[in-house]
Amino acid sequence: SAVISQKPSRDICQRGTSLTIQCQVDSQVTMMFWYRQQPGQSLTLIATANQGSEATYESGFVIDKFPISRPNLTFSTLTVSNMSPEDSSIYLCSVRQGAGAQGYTFGSGTRLTVV
Amino acid sequence: GENVEQHPSTLSVQEGDSAVIKCTYSDSASNYFPWYKQELGKRPQLIIDIRSNVGEKKDQRIAVTLNKTAKHFSLHITETQPEDSAVYFCAAKMNRDDKIIFGKGTRLHILP
Repeated sequence: SAVISQKPSRDICQRGTSLTIQCQVDSQVTMMFWYRQQPGQSLTLIATANQGSEATYESGFVIDKFPISRPNLTFSTLTVSNMSPEDSSIYLCSVRQGAGAQGYTFGSGTRLTVV
Repeated sequence: GENVEQHPSTLSVQEGDSAVIKCTYSDSASNYFPWYKQELGKRPQLIIDIRSNVGEKKDQRIAVTLNKTAKHFSLHITETQPEDSAVYFCAAKMNRDDKIIFGKGTRLHILP
């Protein structure tokens, strides 16, 4: 199965600043997904990162707030822009697990605290 | 879009007893239903999944059943053990895209 390296694992940021989260996969994957998990809550899909095209955002999430890059089939970044305390959350990337497999694997997550 | 409902939100069972978590989905085009286990401070881990052309799947103490007509699926854990304590999420994927939509989760407590 695919192995995902996500960083940073955690950060404490000042409001109004931006943080870029990186996900590196050890194999080529067509799609990468970015999720947010607020404390004690479920996983909410932010966007799907497509290689070679703009990301597809879910309702309630916009590119200006969460710009995503996908420069190749093994790497993606999510930026949380102009942060406020409400952005404090865990952010996770996910990829489909292996060629042809239906399962999805998650990165270890980035715990973001905005103060 | 797809909507996944999950219940109960919290479940406590005696060690050795069985636990059942139920989910319903809204989009009849959904064709894949994974279950994830998330321990405190860790990433979600896939524990079992089922495709829409199968009614039941079992892996040791864990089983999942799917009723396509009723659009609901369930996770069954038998002979529960302390290490089964965690949050469990059901999810659904539609055939026309690759995204997974999650239920709100069930916090399972295994009581000694």
